[in-house]
Amino acid sequence: DGGITQSPKYLFRKEGQNVTLSCEQNLNHDAMYWYRQDPGQGLRLIYYSQIVNDFQKGDIAEGYSVSREKKESFPLTVTSAQKNPTAFYLCASSAPQGTNEKLFFGSGTQLSVL
Amino acid sequence: AQTVTQSQPEMSVQEAETVTLSCTYDTSENNYYLFWYKQPPSRQMILVIRQEAYKQQNATENRFSVNFQKAAKSFSLKISDSQLGDTAMYFCAFMKHRNSGGSNYKLTFGKGTLLTVNP
Repeated sequence: DGGITQSPKYLFRKEGQNVTLSCEQNLNHDAMYWYRQDPGQGLRLIYYSQIVNDFQKGDIAEGYSVSREKKESFPLTVTSAQKNPTAFYLCASSAPQGTNEKLFFGSGTQLSVL
Repeated sequence: AQTVTQSQPEMSVQEAETVTLSCTYDTSENNYYLFWYKQPPSRQMILVIRQEAYKQQNATENRFSVNFQKAAKSFSLKISDSQLGDTAMYFCAFMKHRNSGGSNYKLTFGKGTLLTVNP
Protein backbone atom coordinates (compact mmCIF):
# COMPACT_ATOMS: atom_id res chain seq x y z
CA ASP A 1 0.00 0.00 0.00
CA GLY A 2 1.20 3.49 -0.78
CA GLY A 3 1.63 5.90 2.06
CA ILE A 4 3.84 7.85 4.41
CA THR A 5 5.73 6.14 7.20
CA GLN A 6 7.02 8.01 10.20
CA SER A 7 9.27 6.47 12.81
CA PRO A 8 9.58 6.13 15.67
CA LYS A 9 6.09 6.64 17.04
CA TYR A 10 7.52 7.89 20.36
CA LEU A 11 10.93 9.46 20.93
CA PHE A 12 12.65 10.81 23.99
CA ARG A 13 15.42 13.37 23.96
CA LYS A 14 17.96 14.14 26.64
CA GLU A 15 19.27 17.63 27.26
CA GLY A 16 21.86 18.67 24.68
CA GLN A 17 21.07 15.76 22.38
CA ASN A 18 20.18 15.85 18.71
CA VAL A 19 17.49 13.45 17.56
CA THR A 20 16.31 12.54 14.07
CA LEU A 21 12.76 11.76 13.03
CA SER A 22 12.30 9.60 9.99
CA CYS A 23 9.78 10.17 7.18
CA GLU A 24 9.53 7.92 4.14
CA GLN A 25 6.93 7.98 1.36
CA ASN A 26 6.26 5.65 -1.53
CA LEU A 27 3.66 7.84 -3.22
CA ASN A 28 6.16 9.23 -5.73
CA HIS A 29 5.39 12.73 -4.47
CA ASP A 30 7.78 15.56 -5.18
CA ALA A 31 6.90 17.78 -2.22
CA MET A 32 7.34 16.88 1.43
CA TYR A 33 6.72 18.80 4.63
CA TRP A 34 7.31 18.78 8.37
CA TYR A 35 4.73 20.22 10.74
CA ARG A 36 4.81 20.66 14.49
CA GLN A 37 1.63 20.35 16.53
CA ASP A 38 1.28 21.74 20.03
CA PRO A 39 -1.94 21.60 22.06
CA GLY A 40 -4.21 24.50 21.10
CA GLN A 41 -1.78 25.73 18.43
CA GLY A 42 -2.82 23.85 15.33
CA LEU A 43 -0.09 22.80 12.91
CA ARG A 44 2.90 24.98 12.18
CA LEU A 45 5.25 24.46 9.25
CA ILE A 46 8.88 23.72 10.10
CA TYR A 47 10.48 22.92 6.73
CA TYR A 48 9.33 21.87 3.29
CA SER A 49 10.93 20.51 0.17
CA GLN A 50 9.55 20.80 -3.33
CA ILE A 51 12.24 18.69 -5.00
CA VAL A 52 15.25 16.52 -4.19
CA ASN A 53 18.29 18.42 -2.87
CA ASP A 54 16.24 21.52 -2.19
CA PHE A 55 14.29 22.66 0.87
CA GLN A 56 12.98 25.87 2.41
CA LYS A 57 12.38 27.10 5.93
CA GLY A 58 8.84 27.27 7.16
CA ASP A 59 7.48 29.46 9.91
CA ILE A 60 9.35 27.87 12.85
CA ALA A 61 12.60 26.46 11.44
CA GLU A 62 14.92 27.58 14.24
CA GLY A 63 16.46 24.62 16.08
CA TYR A 64 15.62 22.17 13.30
CA SER A 65 17.44 20.85 10.23
CA VAL A 66 16.43 18.66 7.29
CA SER A 67 17.89 16.94 4.26
CA ARG A 68 16.36 15.71 1.02
CA GLU A 69 18.85 13.40 -0.63
CA LYS A 70 16.22 11.04 -1.99
CA LYS A 71 12.72 11.67 -3.28
CA GLU A 72 11.29 9.15 -0.83
CA SER A 73 12.92 10.45 2.33
CA PHE A 74 12.79 13.72 4.29
CA PRO A 75 14.33 13.28 7.78
CA LEU A 76 14.00 15.98 10.41
CA THR A 77 16.70 16.58 13.01
CA VAL A 78 15.72 18.32 16.23
CA THR A 79 18.92 19.92 17.45
CA SER A 80 19.97 20.90 20.94
CA ALA A 81 19.27 24.49 19.92
CA GLN A 82 15.55 23.76 19.99
CA LYS A 83 14.76 24.61 23.61
CA ASN A 84 11.18 23.43 23.64
CA PRO A 85 11.09 20.31 21.45
CA THR A 86 8.23 18.49 23.16
CA ALA A 87 5.50 18.26 20.53
CA PHE A 88 3.79 16.00 18.02
CA TYR A 89 5.57 16.03 14.66
CA LEU A 90 3.76 15.30 11.43
CA CYS A 91 5.30 14.61 8.05
CA ALA A 92 3.32 15.10 4.86
CA SER A 93 3.70 14.90 1.12
CA SER A 94 1.79 16.18 -1.88
CA ALA A 95 1.50 15.36 -5.54
CA PRO A 96 2.71 17.87 -8.12
CA GLN A 97 0.44 20.86 -8.35
CA GLY A 98 -2.12 20.42 -11.06
CA THR A 99 -2.86 16.86 -9.96
CA ASN A 100 -5.51 17.24 -7.26
CA GLU A 101 -3.62 19.30 -4.72
CA LYS A 102 -3.83 18.01 -1.16
CA LEU A 103 -1.51 16.81 1.56
CA PHE A 104 -1.17 13.23 2.72
CA PHE A 105 0.03 12.80 6.29
CA GLY A 106 2.02 10.22 8.21
CA SER A 107 0.88 8.95 11.58
CA GLY A 108 3.22 11.24 13.51
CA THR A 109 6.01 11.10 16.07
CA GLN A 110 5.56 12.26 19.66
CA LEU A 111 8.80 13.77 20.93
CA SER A 112 9.31 14.31 24.64
CA VAL A 113 12.21 15.63 26.69
CA LEU A 114 13.59 13.49 29.50
CA ALA B 1 0.79 36.08 4.41
CA GLN B 2 -2.32 34.03 4.77
CA THR B 3 -4.12 33.49 8.06
CA VAL B 4 -6.86 31.02 8.96
CA THR B 5 -9.16 31.55 11.93
CA GLN B 6 -11.40 29.01 13.59
CA SER B 7 -13.40 30.86 16.21
CA GLN B 8 -14.93 27.82 17.92
CA PRO B 9 -12.36 25.96 20.06
CA GLU B 10 -14.92 23.32 21.04
CA MET B 11 -18.36 22.19 19.90
CA SER B 12 -20.67 19.33 20.69
CA VAL B 13 -23.59 17.76 18.87
CA GLN B 14 -26.01 14.93 19.47
CA GLU B 15 -25.73 11.82 17.34
CA ALA B 16 -27.78 12.07 14.10
CA GLU B 17 -27.99 15.87 14.33
CA THR B 18 -26.34 18.45 12.08
CA VAL B 19 -23.47 20.71 13.10
CA THR B 20 -21.61 23.52 11.35
CA LEU B 21 -17.98 24.43 12.02
CA SER B 22 -16.81 27.92 11.11
CA CYS B 23 -13.65 29.04 9.37
CA THR B 24 -12.57 32.42 8.04
CA TYR B 25 -9.36 33.27 6.26
CA ASP B 26 -7.45 36.27 5.09
CA THR B 27 -5.63 36.41 1.78
CA SER B 28 -4.93 38.74 -1.10
CA GLU B 29 -4.88 35.84 -3.54
CA ASN B 30 -7.72 35.26 -6.00
CA ASN B 31 -7.07 31.60 -6.69
CA TYR B 32 -6.43 29.13 -3.91
CA TYR B 33 -7.57 25.90 -2.30
CA LEU B 34 -9.34 25.36 1.01
CA PHE B 35 -9.43 22.16 3.02
CA TRP B 36 -11.00 20.61 6.06
CA TYR B 37 -8.90 17.96 7.81
CA LYS B 38 -10.08 15.71 10.62
CA GLN B 39 -7.80 14.46 13.41
CA PRO B 40 -9.41 11.75 15.56
CA PRO B 41 -7.89 10.56 18.86
CA SER B 42 -5.45 8.41 16.87
CA ARG B 43 -3.96 11.76 15.71
CA GLN B 44 -3.92 10.64 12.07
CA MET B 45 -4.73 13.61 9.83
CA ILE B 46 -7.51 12.71 7.39
CA LEU B 47 -8.69 14.90 4.52
CA VAL B 48 -12.43 15.51 4.79
CA ILE B 49 -13.13 17.86 1.92
CA ARG B 50 -11.38 20.15 -0.56
CA GLN B 51 -12.64 23.30 -2.30
CA GLU B 52 -11.12 25.14 -5.24
CA ALA B 53 -11.73 28.88 -4.90
CA TYR B 54 -12.39 29.43 -8.59
CA LYS B 55 -15.28 26.95 -8.52
CA GLN B 56 -18.65 28.41 -7.59
CA GLN B 57 -20.15 25.12 -6.54
CA ASN B 58 -19.75 24.08 -2.91
CA ALA B 59 -17.89 20.81 -2.42
CA THR B 60 -19.68 17.83 -0.89
CA GLU B 61 -18.46 14.43 0.31
CA ASN B 62 -21.26 12.21 1.56
CA ARG B 63 -22.40 13.69 4.91
CA PHE B 64 -19.88 16.54 4.71
CA SER B 65 -20.48 19.73 2.79
CA VAL B 66 -19.07 23.23 2.80
CA ASN B 67 -20.52 26.70 2.52
CA PHE B 68 -17.87 28.66 0.64
CA GLN B 69 -18.41 32.42 0.60
CA LYS B 70 -15.47 33.84 -1.34
CA ALA B 71 -16.31 37.51 -0.88
CA ALA B 72 -16.73 37.05 2.85
CA LYS B 73 -13.66 34.76 2.99
CA SER B 74 -15.67 32.19 4.87
CA PHE B 75 -15.46 28.41 4.57
CA SER B 76 -17.73 26.53 6.97
CA LEU B 77 -18.10 22.76 7.24
CA LYS B 78 -21.50 21.15 7.74
CA ILE B 79 -21.70 17.61 9.07
CA SER B 80 -25.09 15.99 8.62
CA ASP B 81 -26.37 12.94 10.50
CA SER B 82 -23.45 13.16 12.95
CA GLN B 83 -21.92 9.87 14.01
CA LEU B 84 -19.86 8.95 17.06
CA GLY B 85 -16.89 8.40 14.75
CA ASP B 86 -17.01 12.05 13.76
CA THR B 87 -15.62 12.97 17.18
CA ALA B 88 -12.31 14.61 16.35
CA MET B 89 -10.36 17.82 16.03
CA TYR B 90 -11.22 19.56 12.76
CA PHE B 91 -8.75 21.84 11.05
CA CYS B 92 -9.43 24.34 8.30
CA ALA B 93 -6.49 24.97 5.96
CA PHE B 94 -5.49 27.22 3.04
CA MET B 95 -3.15 26.62 0.09
CA LYS B 96 -2.20 29.07 -2.64
CA HIS B 97 -3.01 28.05 -6.20
CA ARG B 98 -0.19 26.75 -8.35
CA ASN B 99 -0.41 29.81 -10.61
CA SER B 100 0.10 32.24 -7.74
CA GLY B 101 3.86 31.93 -7.85
CA GLY B 102 6.26 31.85 -4.92
CA SER B 103 6.01 29.18 -2.24
CA ASN B 104 2.64 27.89 -3.22
CA TYR B 105 3.03 24.42 -1.77
CA LYS B 106 2.47 25.49 1.82
CA LEU B 107 -0.65 24.62 3.76
CA THR B 108 -1.64 27.13 6.45
CA PHE B 109 -3.81 25.73 9.24
CA GLY B 110 -6.25 27.20 11.71
CA LYS B 111 -5.98 26.23 15.37
CA GLY B 112 -8.76 23.69 15.14
CA THR B 113 -12.21 22.96 16.55
CA LEU B 114 -12.69 19.99 18.85
CA LEU B 115 -16.00 18.35 17.96
CA THR B 116 -17.62 15.87 20.30
CA VAL B 117 -20.55 13.79 19.13
CA ASN B 118 -22.69 12.63 22.05
CA PRO B 119 -24.80 9.46 21.99
